[in-house]
Amino acid sequence: GQSLEQPSEVTAVEGAIVQINCTYQTSGFYGLSWYQQHDGGAPTFLSYNALDGLEETGRFSSFLSRSDSYGYLLLQELQMKDSASYFCAVLTGFQKLVFGTGTRLLVSP
Amino acid sequence: DAGITQSPRYKITETGRQVTLMCHQTWSHSYMFWYRQDLGHGLRLIYYSAAADITDKGEVPDGYVVSRSKTENFPLTLESATRSQTSVYFCASSETGSDTQYFGPGTRLTVL
Repeated sequence: GQSLEQPSEVTAVEGAIVQINCTYQTSGFYGLSWYQQHDGGAPTFLSYNALDGLEETGRFSSFLSRSDSYGYLLLQELQMKDSASYFCAVLTGFQKLVFGTGTRLLVSP
Repeated sequence: DAGITQSPRYKITETGRQVTLMCHQTWSHSYMFWYRQDLGHGLRLIYYSAAADITDKGEVPDGYVVSRSKTENFPLTLESATRSQTSVYFCASSETGSDTQYFGPGTRLTVL
């Protein structure tokens, strides 16, 4: 079977740093992606890690450890607009993404 | 540049009716996908297509039919809608079929 575990909700204040973890058990693994989705909106791509290590894109960073079947998304200098749901997704085979159930991030002033 | 569009954005139908959700992309991406999103399940892949006339099942294909006669269009048909198909449906496209997928705005479907 396929399973991805991530916390259902995380809260933080503006300017803070937050880490959203994702652990996975899948029948295949090619890489780990992260998507952001605002309420009522469409998912938008944030990052993709195929190899172990940290990838940085502006205020967002994503980390992968294939040996631990674990990854995380790190959001720095949080802003109110970062309040959204964040999904990790494993590329289990060519063209096939399996999504986690999402983490709702609430950023307060 | 319209990108990827879906129509209709909202649809209410009745059990047993046939419904077709449309998806159109202007990037000439080879790969297109249909997902459904339900509370507690995240996004689940219904069908995908690697090119015109090439389609394959995803995680939850039962009750759905797709076609892809043109690269830019990827309609999803519910042949006989059921209440369990009430969901938000997202179409996505990708140039490579792997890392980055671009999602349409979604169609909220209610089956009464």
